[in-house]
Amino acid sequence: GDSVTQTEGQVALSEEDFLTIHCNYSASGYPTLFWYVQYPGEGPQLLFRASRDKEKGSSRGFEATYDKGTTSFHLRKASVQESDSAVYYCALSDPGNYKYVFGAGTRLKVIA
Amino acid sequence: AQTIHQWPVAEIKAVGSPLSLGCTIKGKSSPNLYWYWQATGGTLQQLFYSITVGQVESVVQLNLSASRPKDDQFILSTEKLLLSHSGFYLCAWSLGAQDTQYFGPGTRLLVL
Repeated sequence: GDSVTQTEGQVALSEEDFLTIHCNYSASGYPTLFWYVQYPGEGPQLLFRASRDKEKGSSRGFEATYDKGTTSFHLRKASVQESDSAVYYCALSDPGNYKYVFGAGTRLKVIA
Repeated sequence: AQTIHQWPVAEIKAVGSPLSLGCTIKGKSSPNLYWYWQATGGTLQQLFYSITVGQVESVVQLNLSASRPKDDQFILSTEKLLLSHSGFYLCAWSLGAQDTQYFGPGTRLLVL
């Protein structure tokens, strides 16, 4: 079955540090890929999505590029802020169906 | 603008008791609807999806059932709660397959 692997369970950074959260996926088709962010006590909200190879998604300074060759969609931000502290989820959805698979999540803590 | 409402906000229930959680979407006609479960500190597990009134598909078996009695309403229920049902239940909607999902505020359930 489809799967999403996020390597980092927790990341602790100082403000203005560079962020990378790794996301690799396994899917039978050509999935759409998503990054969601979840704040405590709330539902996840979309950061951005990408549907084609080499497509770059971006929002609020975060970005990721769909790489079909390496089956990856790594999240990056050049300079994190304390307000970026949250849990980040990589997710996928396969073509033609309504099933979504989420990664385990990465808890980001940014210290001022 | 679309709004998604979940009820109740939180529940404390006894093992073996019944449960009914609700979700309503306003401002969007014929959305695809989803139920997710999230253990404390865990990832999002899709439970059910529905693309039309009266039709619900199960994604994973957790001794729960779902129904869609109206276009804008999605219900999650069980006749007998287990300790393992504790967690955060999220309702979401999307326009189509592989589309962005928009999540509700969630219902926190504690089973004792």
